[in-house]
This record gives sequence, structure tokens and C-alpha cells, in this order.
Amino acid sequence: NAGVTQTPKFQVLKTGQSMTLQCAQDMNHNSMYWYRQDPGMGLRLIYYSASEGTTDKGEVPNGYNVSRLNKREFSLRLESAAPSQTSVYFCASGLRGRFQGDEVKNIQYFGAGTRLSVL
Amino acid sequence: RKEVEQDPGPFNVPEGATVAFNCTYSNSASQSFFWYRQDCRKEPKLLMSVYSSGNEDGRFTAQLNRASQYISLLIRDSKLSDSATYLCVVNFASGGSYIPTFGRGTSLIVHP
Repeated sequence: NAGVTQTPKFQVLKTGQSMTLQCAQDMNHNSMYWYRQDPGMGLRLIYYSASEGTTDKGEVPNGYNVSRLNKREFSLRLESAAPSQTSVYFCASGLRGRFQGDEVKNIQYFGAGTRLSVL
Repeated sequence: RKEVEQDPGPFNVPEGATVAFNCTYSNSASQSFFWYRQDCRKEPKLLMSVYSSGNEDGRFTAQLNRASQYISLLIRDSKLSDSATYLCVVNFASGGSYIPTFGRGTSLIVHP
């Protein structure tokens, strides 16, 4: 039961370097999300993809780009890393379905996170 | 001002206590609501959905008050293992998508 898989788990970058965070889900979910989590700030949405072929900005998109490569994979790219991007990054996929007779919208399942430090 | 507000705590309670958390939201178009649990340095995991009629799962009860725009989580008979951060999540519909907004979380510490 892989669920949502993120790579890498840890990364240290120098200012100005670029990197791509990978995320894959095997649950056939349409929606996928990227968040960052900073102390005292909670989870903030960076970008999301409601379905294969679409991406939209979230609350804090500046400095990031995303690619929904196919239904399974949603990557996050930092083109020129800055110290302000030091954070824990979580990928999630979302399920819409029925539970106990009620429609439940957008239950999210999270990957284990990527801890990124930018020096 | 964040659209979803939670008291960060920490709530420090003895084993066996009952504790309640509230979460207020500002977007009246919000359509689905959840409580997640997050352990230290781990990913958030779904605790329970919040239904309009209220719902219970063992020691946990969730309520939604649309008129006052808040959701609540009640934990009865607290266990040491309940120590964690509890995140409320509010989704609102936009262009066929569901946009999630997380609260900053409420920290719970259950002590012997």
C-alpha cells in the first residue's frame, strides 16, 4: 500500500540552485496538491491540480512551478532556491466519494514529506 | 488574517479528561470539513470528516455549525497516544475544484 510517495525525503541546497520534488500516487485520485509547512504557519497550499492536464496557483505560488506529468505524478520545481524556501513540503492527493451515505468532498492523503534546507 | 482559525494551545490535560477544540472559518461558501491529526515531524492523517448532522467515531465527536461558521472536535477519555497536533481543514468549491485551507493546528498534550 504505497499511497502517496515523495522523493527525496531530505535535501540541502545552496541559494540559486534548482531542484524538483517528485510526488506519485497509486490511488487513482484526480486531484493532487503541494503544500509547505513552516513553524507557526500551518500548511499552506502552493499549487494544486484538479485533474490531469490542469494546474492552478494556491496561496503561496511565487518561486515555484509544477507539472502534472500524468494522473499519478505531480512534481514541484524550485528554479532558483532561496533561504525563504527552507521548509517541509508535503504532497497530497484528493478523493471525492461517498461515506456512510453522505458525499464527502476532497479527503486528502499525504506523502511523508520532504525536508528542504536552502543555505 | 488566515481564513481558518484555531487556538494553537497547547492544551495540557490529564489522561481520562475530555477536551474540545474549535475551528472557525470565514468563507461561507465552504462545503466540506475535516479534522486531521499530525504527529511531530510526520505527515497529516485524516482523523474524521465532519458531517452537517454531527458524527462520532469512538471517543471522538465532530460537529459543524454552519450558521456560526465553526467546527468542533471533542475527545473523551483522553489517552497518552492522543498527544498530537489537530488540524482543521475547510474546503470550498471553485470552478469545479475543491480548494483546501488548513488551520494552523491545535497542540494537545495528554499527561499521566
